[in-house]
Amino acid sequence: DADVTQTPRNRITKTGKRIMLECSQTKGHDRMYWYRQDPGLGLRLIYYSFDVKDINKGEISDGYSVSRQAQAKFSLSLESAIPNQTALYFCATSDSGLAGQETQYFGPGTRLLVL
Amino acid sequence: LAKTTQPISMDSYEGQEVNITCSHNNIATNDYITWYQQFPSQGPRFIIQGYKTKVTNEVASLFIPADRKSSTLSLPRVSLSDTAVYYCLVGDGYTGFQKLVFGTGTRLLVSP
Repeated sequence: DADVTQTPRNRITKTGKRIMLECSQTKGHDRMYWYRQDPGLGLRLIYYSFDVKDINKGEISDGYSVSRQAQAKFSLSLESAIPNQTALYFCATSDSGLAGQETQYFGPGTRLLVL
Repeated sequence: LAKTTQPISMDSYEGQEVNITCSHNNIATNDYITWYQQFPSQGPRFIIQGYKTKVTNEVASLFIPADRKSSTLSLPRVSLSDTAVYYCLVGDGYTGFQKLVFGTGTRLLVSP
């Protein structure tokens, strides 16, 4: 969905490096999410934010941190990258609603390789 | 969170109707059922959502029996471009977003 953009689209880094993945949206949604997807598996929630001042851990937050710089921007950081963080990362946004009732709009993904 | 179970994969041919069933035996009263479609190297895309009985949109239909312990996504007259992974998602409004997971999905392959 062009309304949700992610940068970079591909990234190769080395173990121990700090990296940041960025997400921007023009949908005007308050809620934003970061997921990771491993080959052949579904998506797992890393962090989510309901507004600029509200950030919550998801299912697999260890080793990650986030920053919600503005309503439209939500960044994911790997403080010290490790090989098992190699995955496809997706950012998503949604309007209001209970979990599973809202519609989430996903970005194109960032493919991360940690050597 | 109500756990969902879907077939790992399904095969079909162009022009056929495809039905993908999702089991969610522990679905809670307030849970909705949502289906997403994901193409390779792309983010998932919302297809349809329902609470009970039948929901239809321009893309698919969703059938939910009275006990709501399962749901069936129906794709009419599939084409090659419907080859994708389909996720069934059941939301639990009471335990929060932390446990919102997509599961492994059903990989649909449509052949000529």
